[in-house]
Amino acid sequence: DAGVIQSPRHEVTEMGQEVTLRCKPISGHDYLFWYRQTMMRGLELLIYFNNNVPIDDSGMPEDRFSAKMPNASFSTLKIQPSEPRDSAVYFCASSYALGDDYGYTFGSGTRLTVV
Amino acid sequence: TQLLEQSPQFLSIQEGENLTVYCNSSSVFSSLQWYRQEPGEGPVLLVTVVTGGEVKKLKRLTFQFGDARKDSSLHITAAQPGDTGLYLCAGVRDMRFGAGTRLTVKP
Repeated sequence: DAGVIQSPRHEVTEMGQEVTLRCKPISGHDYLFWYRQTMMRGLELLIYFNNNVPIDDSGMPEDRFSAKMPNASFSTLKIQPSEPRDSAVYFCASSYALGDDYGYTFGSGTRLTVV
Repeated sequence: TQLLEQSPQFLSIQEGENLTVYCNSSSVFSSLQWYRQEPGEGPVLLVTVVTGGEVKKLKRLTFQFGDARKDSSLHITAAQPGDTGLYLCAGVRDMRFGAGTRLTVKP
């Protein structure tokens, strides 16, 4: 299995531009998570999906952030308009289920820099 | 949301030394997971602890879940430079992580 695949690995954009981050979860995993990691705030859960349906988006910082999962093999996290404080590493993770026997498999992340 | 506090925040030791890092909460967890994250990569699952008082070993790593299921520890014996990384604990049902302990093992 190729694991969780995220693209791009690095993104540099100017303030005010739209940014779209992409994720392909592991086939057969029913749960998909978007996290953001910064030195100040650590690893924060933004939103998670179960069977392509958003379950909890309480971690999404504000309306500028949106996430979609049109099918079981693809998800996007969009920031519009982007701001310098959005600079962080964004991780996508997937899991077969929620429970003691299952861990999250993370992608390698997208390092976003907004200048 | 159950908060997880990890300590110490940073730890720098020499190869061959032993160390322990901690994960604490004021709330009871049904289970906790430990992950290690290397630079430029996502966290990788090391272990899940489920039962209060449980001890799990993974080579030189020993994980313990407190009797009251509010805390956990990770002990590394004879640390090696390859153990360098960010160690994170996470509540399984909560899906949220502690801030982590950044470990550096110097050769």
